[in-house]
Amino acid sequence: NAGVTQTPKFRVLKTGQSMTLLCAQDMNHEYMYWYRQDPGMGLRLIHYSVGEGTTAKGEVPDGYNVSRLKKQNFLLGLESAAPSQTSVYFCASKGTSAAQYFGPGTRLLVL
Amino acid sequence: LAKTTQPISMDSYEGQEVNITCSHNNIATNDYITWYQQFPSQGPRFIIQGYKTKVTNEVASLFIPADRKSSTLSLPRVSLSDTAVYYCLVGWDTGRRALTFGSGTRLQVQP
Repeated sequence: NAGVTQTPKFRVLKTGQSMTLLCAQDMNHEYMYWYRQDPGMGLRLIHYSVGEGTTAKGEVPDGYNVSRLKKQNFLLGLESAAPSQTSVYFCASKGTSAAQYFGPGTRLLVL
Repeated sequence: LAKTTQPISMDSYEGQEVNITCSHNNIATNDYITWYQQFPSQGPRFIIQGYKTKVTNEVASLFIPADRKSSTLSLPRVSLSDTAVYYCLVGWDTGRRALTFGSGTRLQVQP
């Protein structure tokens, strides 16, 4: 039981490049989330999903898109990366309880 | 959304009990309270959740007064490995809104 996994672990992009971050969970959870965490700060919600085929905007959605084509996967896309998107990105999933379970994070550096 | 307020930082010594209080004055009837622990360079880890009164697990206890406007995470006999940031999160995902994390409490345990 791997829990929540994230791919890749680390990535360097140039301004204007695009990329997709993959989150996968094997707990059959309905809810999935993407957060970003800047150095020394708390987590900010980017987008979330309450089930397969659904997505919704969180606190800081601009510059990101998401898709939930399969229940176990939640993809976060950056169409045109900007230096302000340099951050650590965490994915989480949640089942029927209030507890969210987080992945190990993806460190993104945009030059 | 229930806004939460926590102390920015706390210091303790090994073997002491640590209590971290979170204020959430506008908690809603259906809201649950969850606490997370985060080590540097890792994703947050779920610790405990509660709705009212007291909840205890193998890691911590959670005290919630009758008015539910605050909650206290209690860590018994802390060790150096408990040095981390602790987040209080209040709410319940309805699909129409998601929860947001606060800035957390940075706990430093000294030998």
